Amino acid sequence: DAKTTQPNSMESNEEEPVHLPCNHSTISGTDYIHWYRQLPSQGPEYVIHGLTSNVNNRMASLAIAEDRKSSTLILHRATLRDAAVYYCILRRNNDMRFGAGTRLTVKP
Amino acid sequence: NAGVTQTPKFQVLKTGQSMTLQCAQDMNHEYMSWYRQDPGMGLRLIHYSVGAGITDQGEVPNGYNVSRSTTEDFPLRLLSAAPSQTSVYFCASNPAGGRVASPLHFGNGTRLTVT
Repeated sequence: DAKTTQPNSMESNEEEPVHLPCNHSTISGTDYIHWYRQLPSQGPEYVIHGLTSNVNNRMASLAIAEDRKSSTLILHRATLRDAAVYYCILRRNNDMRFGAGTRLTVKP
Repeated sequence: NAGVTQTPKFQVLKTGQSMTLQCAQDMNHEYMSWYRQDPGMGLRLIHYSVGAGITDQGEVPNGYNVSRSTTEDFPLRLLSAAPSQTSVYFCASNPAGGRVASPLHFGNGTRLTVT
């Protein structure tokens, strides 16, 4: 799988939007962009995924650059419950690999 | 519908002991996988299976065996535990068959300590 690069950590204030970036400059045309998050002491949880177009669901939005070499996960109003490690993963086949992710801290 | 169930939740082993971590899913998913997560690190893929009777190695397969005799179960075996295998182990599943757009469903993990 192609590699992704994310900042180690980010901070946000409660009820403000959060933009979590991910660079994937070696992405191929068949790679899906997946985002997961992991709350403390829990297994990872699916957040959102996309291929080329921007995507919205009840949890978040995913903005994909036109050249697909980067993407941004958008949490529209961060809550304390959104504090977690967020993983950006490129998925081409069933060998799915996680990087270190971005640790999001939400301040009240 | 229980999703992905892992047992036990916690386990302590002595070096050299063997054990099996259990993983079961009730969603009829073809794909199942095992990850390990060391403190402060991301998840690393150990083994995965795209269906009954089919398994393949991931990023860190050494020291672990798997088999897939049914769609529902995917046990992970440690034949001779080592302290380096102290970690939290996660099992995941999703529909396979090229559906790489579908999300992974994770269990809640097994925390293993090898002394």
